[in-house]
Amino acid sequence: DGGITQSPKYLFRKEGQNVTLSCEQNLNHDAMYWYRQDPGQGLRLIYYSQIVNDFQKGDIAEGYSVSREKKESFPLTVTSAQKNPTAFYLCASSSALNTEAFFGQGTRLTVV
Amino acid sequence: EDQVTQSPEALRLQEGESSSLNCSYTVSGLRGLFWYRQDPGKGPEFLFTLYSAGEEKEKERLKATLTKKESFLHITAPKPEDSATYLCAVQGSARQLTFGSGTQLTVLP
Repeated sequence: DGGITQSPKYLFRKEGQNVTLSCEQNLNHDAMYWYRQDPGQGLRLIYYSQIVNDFQKGDIAEGYSVSREKKESFPLTVTSAQKNPTAFYLCASSSALNTEAFFGQGTRLTVV
Repeated sequence: EDQVTQSPEALRLQEGESSSLNCSYTVSGLRGLFWYRQDPGKGPEFLFTLYSAGEEKEKERLKATLTKKESFLHITAPKPEDSATYLCAVQGSARQLTFGSGTQLTVLP
């Protein structure tokens, strides 16, 4: 089945630790995105990538880092510099930047 | 800066009671307006893309329309399984998606 796989579904992190969220797609899409969703708010863009080895900051990139070494993979690292990391994280991909995006099932990160 | 406002924030309908959800937007150079459905704890599911004013798209009980300032998602004779949060997003000349906060729809049997 083609789609976007995010793992893990639930993640717990201690304060001060970095953690990496996985996102893999087999849709052969060029563009990939990371969004953060907080209760009662819309999705906010963290980072996006149009092609391999290239990515740009979104609206709330501070405290996050990404890499795009393969077309299929776009992992997100939440660093200890992110002051309020507890949230629902969504990865998406699209065939190009101006086409509809398809989402994974999300990772819920909780800082304890 | 692109902006999207969705209303109402929450809507409760009886099964079979038709209604509309609103998405008002301001965007520089609209490239597309997107509707998604999101169930609790899941990722958004793509529904429709609208590109220009006057365009309409339909899927089962859902119909999306677009004007120069807003989009409507019409739900005809809804069923309980239509209960979800419906998200609207716009893509402007900057090519980033800007999402609204969503409308939480509950359809009572």
